[in-house]
Amino acid sequence: AQTVTQSQPEMSVQEAETVTLSCTYDTSENNYYLFWYKQPPSRQMILVIRQEAYKQQNATENRFSVNFQKAAKSFSLKISDSQLGDTAMYFCAFMKHTSNYQLIWGAGTKLIIKP
Amino acid sequence: DVKVTQSSRYLVKRTGEKVFLECVQDMDHENMFWYRQDPGLGLRLIYFSYDVKMKEKGDIPEGYSVSREKKERFSLILESASTNQTSMYLCASSLVQGKTQYFGPGTRLLVL
Repeated sequence: AQTVTQSQPEMSVQEAETVTLSCTYDTSENNYYLFWYKQPPSRQMILVIRQEAYKQQNATENRFSVNFQKAAKSFSLKISDSQLGDTAMYFCAFMKHTSNYQLIWGAGTKLIIKP
Repeated sequence: DVKVTQSSRYLVKRTGEKVFLECVQDMDHENMFWYRQDPGLGLRLIYFSYDVKMKEKGDIPEGYSVSREKKERFSLILESASTNQTSMYLCASSLVQGKTQYFGPGTRLLVL
């Protein structure tokens, strides 16, 4: 069975700093998808970034990028030039390539950006 | 933009009451989901629907049922609410071949 582990329950950094959130997963699948979702306080969960396992290139979305290490089963999220609006819970999630719905979620990391 | 709405942001119910949580999406998505979110546990799938009147159990279906009579609407029903069902409930939707799920704002349910 697949599992997703986020080892940092909470992190805090100063505004404008760079922060990296860690995520590891366990699977015997070769093809799959990995996601980072963000849940701001009292607001909706939204997708931050998505990575297909068959792509070697790390996904990027503006200030957000991932470091995908397939052999190590690691999928960390880097936030550059952090902003106050980045304060949120961040969840890492895994989906098998053959599934169109079954997401396996990590427990989440609470990220606080300090002014 | 995809819009997923949930009928209530906050709800307080008594033990034994029947509770209805409703979710509506406006993007013609085939898939709809109900999750439960608890601190330290991430999100756990309660039920999933891939079409009208079709449903599949998720990881924690006990104590819950669902209804999908129309494509855009997916209801979660707590037949007899219990205190251990106090939680945040999230609804989501996606395209049938889509990998990205779109979430509603959540309903925080307190069962007394």
